[in-house]
Formats: sequence, structure tokens, C-alpha cells
Amino acid sequence: DAGVTQSPTHLIKTRGQQVTLRCSPKSGHDTVSWYQQALGQGPQFIFQYYEEEERQRGNFPDRFSGHQFPNYSSELNVNALLLGDSALYLCASSLYSGGPYNEQFFGPGTRLTVL
Amino acid sequence: GNSVTQMEGPVTLSEEAFLTINCTYTATGYPSLFWYVQYPGEGLQLLLKATKADDKGSNKGFEATYRKETTSFHLEKGSVQVSDSAVYFCALDLGAAGNKLTFGGGTRVLVKP
Repeated sequence: DAGVTQSPTHLIKTRGQQVTLRCSPKSGHDTVSWYQQALGQGPQFIFQYYEEEERQRGNFPDRFSGHQFPNYSSELNVNALLLGDSALYLCASSLYSGGPYNEQFFGPGTRLTVL
Repeated sequence: GNSVTQMEGPVTLSEEAFLTINCTYTATGYPSLFWYVQYPGEGLQLLLKATKADDKGSNKGFEATYRKETTSFHLEKGSVQVSDSAVYFCALDLGAAGNKLTFGGGTRVLVKP
């Protein structure tokens, strides 16, 4: 049973460029959340997708957008990259219940470096 | 807003020593509380959780008790091993649909043989 997978593993971009990160959830999961983890800090919630719609959003600008596909996989897009966008981007999947917490399973992350 | 504060590291210990990592939280409701662990080169893994006051979460020799009166969820282990070297994150979730985790800054633990 494959866990959460993310691609690519590492990525180097320059300021102003655009980037797309990809995530495949754990088998049986239908909800994908994205987090940004700056070096030496805890992860910060970006947004969450369920039924191909953005359900919750953290305190991130509109440059950060996403998408969920019918097979539950997801993409995170960041436009007009800034140096401060350099971070480890984590994807987490879970099974939506509409109620109390269901465990989120995290992928290994994509390390984005903006030069 | 909601926030989690945990002690800064690194924490350096000898094998078989006692480990405590302090965690306190601020939340607008009644959160569930979690400890996640990040081993070198790996993704975040759920270590333990507690969903209501006075609950004790435990796993792999680690324990943490949900203390509502002190808004704390301190992580403890009686005898650490070299394999426990990792970064530990305290987190909360308010339980609303969507499971949005708020993390602390992380505490790096290094266990020396």
C-alpha cells in the first residue's frame, strides 16, 4: 500500500517564475492538505482540497493556488516566486469525515529553492 | 488566534536519559492535541494524540497528557535511545471538518550513545 507520494523531490527556480508541485494521496484517502515548512520552523497550513474544491485556506496570498483531480491527486501552484517561498512543501492526505480529527498522513515533501 | 509554543532545541541527551519537551497552546475552542516526529530524511509521522482534557496519549514509550487547566501537552519518555534522535512537533486541531493542523516550531532532539 503506497503512502503519500510527492514530486519532484527537489526543485530550483528563480524569482518571478512559477512552480507546480504534485501529490498523490494514500490509497483510500480523498482529502489533500498542503503545508509550507520553512527551514527550522514548523509546518504552516496553506489549504485543503476535498471533492475537487478548496475547503479551507490558511494565511497565504493568492499566488498560492491548487487543484484536486477526480483521482484525488493534487497540485500546488505558486506564481511570481519570491525568495521567501523557499521551503519544504508537505502534502498530507486523510479521509474526510466532516467531524472530529482524522489522522493526516504526510508525504516526504518537495524542497523548493528560489534563487 | 490559535498557536502552539514548544521549547527550543536542540536538546542533547545521553542514551537512557529522561526526555521532556514542553508544549503549551492557545486556542479559541477545545482542540485535539498531537505530537508529530520527523526523522532525518523522512516525512512527518504522528507519534501520539489526545482529543480531550486529561486524556493521555502514548506510543513507542512516549507519553503526553492533555492538561486543559495549564493548556499544556508536554511530551515525555523515560529512557531515550539513539534512534529517538529527530525533530518533534507539537500541534493542535480544532476538530472542525477539514482537519487543519497548527504546529509549533519544533524541537530537535539528539541522543548520544
